[in-house]
Amino acid sequence: KQEVTQIPAALSVPEGENLVLNCSFTDSAIYNLQWFRQDPGKGLTSLLLIQSSQREQTSGRLNASLDKSSGRSTLYIAASQPGDSATYLCAAPGGAGSYQLTFGKGTKLSVIP
Amino acid sequence: NAGVTQTPKFRILKIGQSMTLQCTQDMNHNYMYWYRQDPGMGLKLIYYSVGAGITDKGEVPNGYNVSRSTTEDFPLRLELAAPSQTSVYFCASSYSSTYSYEQYFGPGTRLTVT
Repeated sequence: KQEVTQIPAALSVPEGENLVLNCSFTDSAIYNLQWFRQDPGKGLTSLLLIQSSQREQTSGRLNASLDKSSGRSTLYIAASQPGDSATYLCAAPGGAGSYQLTFGKGTKLSVIP
Repeated sequence: NAGVTQTPKFRILKIGQSMTLQCTQDMNHNYMYWYRQDPGMGLKLIYYSVGAGITDKGEVPNGYNVSRSTTEDFPLRLELAAPSQTSVYFCASSYSSTYSYEQYFGPGTRLTVT
């Protein structure tokens, strides 16, 4: 059974700082991994989907990496802004051939102006 | 495209009542999912469907039922609501391919059972 862990649970940084969010998963037989953003009281917005063959995926100030061998993914946010304040969720498929996502509990990010 | 839409946004039910949460997607995705999100617990998969007429249980299916008569719609039925079903419910959909199942989520339904 896939298990996904996100550390830290909460993070507070001053505006402009670069930061890294961590995600680890137990079953490395995955095709891809997805990062989401969730604002309070809202649904999930897909940020990045990394294929297992890609190792990295970039969108604007966001960069996500995937290391299947170590069971880890990181989300790097450059030059953080107050608008980046949200909860960031990592989700991995249940295993080889599985399209069911297992979610971490998220990292709540606060960017202080 | 509206993406994934859910109704209602909020609902309060009394114990023992029943209701249906509606979910519709206009992206022609064949995979659809229902999750619940409880504070501090992350999202848990309730049911999923790989196409019209095909559904299967996820991690927490007890107390729920689903049907999938069309590609676009995937309603979630709660029978005999219980306080343990107080949660935020999210519907999601994805296009199926060998390597990519990027899921797109609706805005959620916040349900309180009292």
